[in-house]
Amino acid sequence: AQTVTQSQPEMSVQEAETVTLSCTYDTSESNYYLFWYKQPPSRQMILVIRQEAYKQQNATENRFSVNFQKAAKSFSLKISDSQLGDTAMYFCAFMKHVTGAGSYQLTFGKGTKLSVIP
Amino acid sequence: NAGVTQTPKFQVLKTGQSMTLQCAQDMNHNSMYWYRQDPGMGLRLIYYSASEGTTDKGEVPNGYNVSRLNKREFSLRLESAAPSQTSVYFCASRTGGRASYEQYFGPGTRLTVT
Repeated sequence: AQTVTQSQPEMSVQEAETVTLSCTYDTSESNYYLFWYKQPPSRQMILVIRQEAYKQQNATENRFSVNFQKAAKSFSLKISDSQLGDTAMYFCAFMKHVTGAGSYQLTFGKGTKLSVIP
Repeated sequence: NAGVTQTPKFQVLKTGQSMTLQCAQDMNHNSMYWYRQDPGMGLRLIYYSASEGTTDKGEVPNGYNVSRLNKREFSLRLESAAPSQTSVYFCASRTGGRASYEQYFGPGTRLTVT
């Protein structure tokens, strides 16, 4: 079974600064996908960024980027130029690659509550 | 295009009551999922339906049943609600196939069992 660990229950950052959220995972799989989801107070789950494990290049989406270290099983999220709208819970999630019919289920960490301070 | 919709948004039940949470998607997705989110926890998979006509248990299926009514709709039923089922429930859907791994989530249903 896979496990996902987010060691920072809460973090805060000044507006316009940069913050990094940590995530580690444990798996015996070699092919898998990793995700960061954002959950604002509205409760809506919003996909922020995804990374395929077979890709060495770190994913980037505008102000969001990841540092994917496959050997260390680490997948951190960097938010640059933090904005007030970035205030939310952030969940790291793992999905193993499935060769046939299967669940493609997501395994989530417990989340990091990020507050952006004006 | 509404994406994934869930009804109701909020519900309060007494212990032993039953209810069905409804989920529908208009994206023609093959796979649908039910997750629950408890305080201080990430989402955990209850049941999923890889395609119309099939359903399978996830990580925490006890106390729940599901029905994949058609390709659009996937309902979650609590036959005899218990306080331990107080949670926020999310439905999600996915296109299907090996290359389509992104899941799209509904807005959630907050359920309280007293």
